[in-house]
Amino acid sequence: EPEVTQTPSHQVTQMGQEVILRCVPISNHLYFYWYRQILGQKVEFLVSFYNNEISEKSEIFDDQFSVERPDGSNFTLKIRSTKLEDSAMYFCASTQGLAILSTDTQYFGPGTRLTVL
Amino acid sequence: GDSVTQMEGPVTLSEEAFLTINCTYTATGYPSLFWYVQYPGEGLQLLLKATKADDKGSNKGFEATYRKETTSFHLEKGSVQVSDSAVYFCALVRETGNQFYFGTGTSLTVIP
Repeated sequence: EPEVTQTPSHQVTQMGQEVILRCVPISNHLYFYWYRQILGQKVEFLVSFYNNEISEKSEIFDDQFSVERPDGSNFTLKIRSTKLEDSAMYFCASTQGLAILSTDTQYFGPGTRLTVL
Repeated sequence: GDSVTQMEGPVTLSEEAFLTINCTYTATGYPSLFWYVQYPGEGLQLLLKATKADDKGSNKGFEATYRKETTSFHLEKGSVQVSDSAVYFCALVRETGNQFYFGTGTSLTVIP
């Protein structure tokens, strides 16, 4: 069973510090996503990424956020200067094709819990 | 904007009880609707889906019917098991676009 992996499982950081959350999508997938869930709230879409560029992003995804596929396997989310309100669970996901068309192959990782102190 | 509202949890049921988790949505056009499940320590897994009105998604004894007239996609199971204990998320994807809109999740605990 293929799976999306995420590291670390839990990250604690001080406000104002930079963090990088890492994801390894399924190897033959082409679309990658980041979502987050603040405790007790909805899972919110952050960004989708295809062909080495952002294809869609939400209002949450401001200049403090960036994504990168630095090599053929990793997909990273960087937060440049963390705020207390960035504390959340961050989920990475990947699909072989467009989510609307390939829902059977939509895979989510287990999440990284980010705690900003 | 597009959104999903699902039943507040947590829900605690005895084994073999009937389960309903309510989900309603707001969206233009004809979105596709999904239920995802998250077991402890794992990622979100697709449980079932429906892509058009009156479609019924089913998997592992769970069912949900896409009701456009009531904009609902309630999850049901006739007899829950302890192994069904997890968090359940209702979600939609618009006809156009590539992002999922999720509900807040409903935690289910089934006790023997």
